[in-house]
Amino acid sequence: QVQLVQSGDEVKKPGASVKVSCTASGYTFTSYYVHWVRQAPGQGLEWMGIINPLFGRSTYAQRFRGRLTVTKDTSTETVYMELSSLRSGDTALYYCARSLGDSSAFDVWGQGTLVSVSS
Amino acid sequence: SYVLTQPPSMSVAPGQTARITCGGNNIGTKSVHWYQHNPGQAPVLVVYDDSDRPSGIPERFSGSKSENTATLTITRVEAGDEADYYCHVRDSSSEHVVFGGGTKLTVL
Repeated sequence: QVQLVQSGDEVKKPGASVKVSCTASGYTFTSYYVHWVRQAPGQGLEWMGIINPLFGRSTYAQRFRGRLTVTKDTSTETVYMELSSLRSGDTALYYCARSLGDSSAFDVWGQGTLVSVSS
Repeated sequence: SYVLTQPPSMSVAPGQTARITCGGNNIGTKSVHWYQHNPGQAPVLVVYDDSDRPSGIPERFSGSKSENTATLTITRVEAGDEADYYCHVRDSSSEHVVFGGGTKLTVL
């Protein structure tokens, strides 16, 4: 069946980087965009960025530019989200999600990866 | 940057109708999508492209839109509908996705 499976929870210290994976199955990997969305404790959903798996082009929300890198590995049908210079405010549940077009709905979501940043 | 405004919370009795609004400048020109989210779980798409429903979503969920406001309507509300609801659009000028702040629906 169609699914996105994310890597496991992470605990990081301030200043470190984290790399979360999102592996697709059950559909044509290059036909759908993949987005990253996070939810900090007590906060709403926040869009971080998007990658076009066909061409590898990524676009990032303004507040994450310079710290966020989204890449893909077509051979393993996996998208990666790397966030650097972590701070306590980055503690959140991180989701990947797919959309058919860049303005389309997110019809399939990953299960979420908890990233905790603490000294 | 483009902003979507939702009421932070609303309450409704079982069997009644909940109408959750999402305000945005000229939202009528954008495709609006709605998600149901229970904390700790993945969000679930309940309405896409303003008013279409994915397979498996009850007919009780519907969407509508005017020039500056989109609305998610849930009829015959059930206890299981208690969740956070978010609207979503793509701002073509910035190429960024925008979520509303979310509305916590409480079923009394």
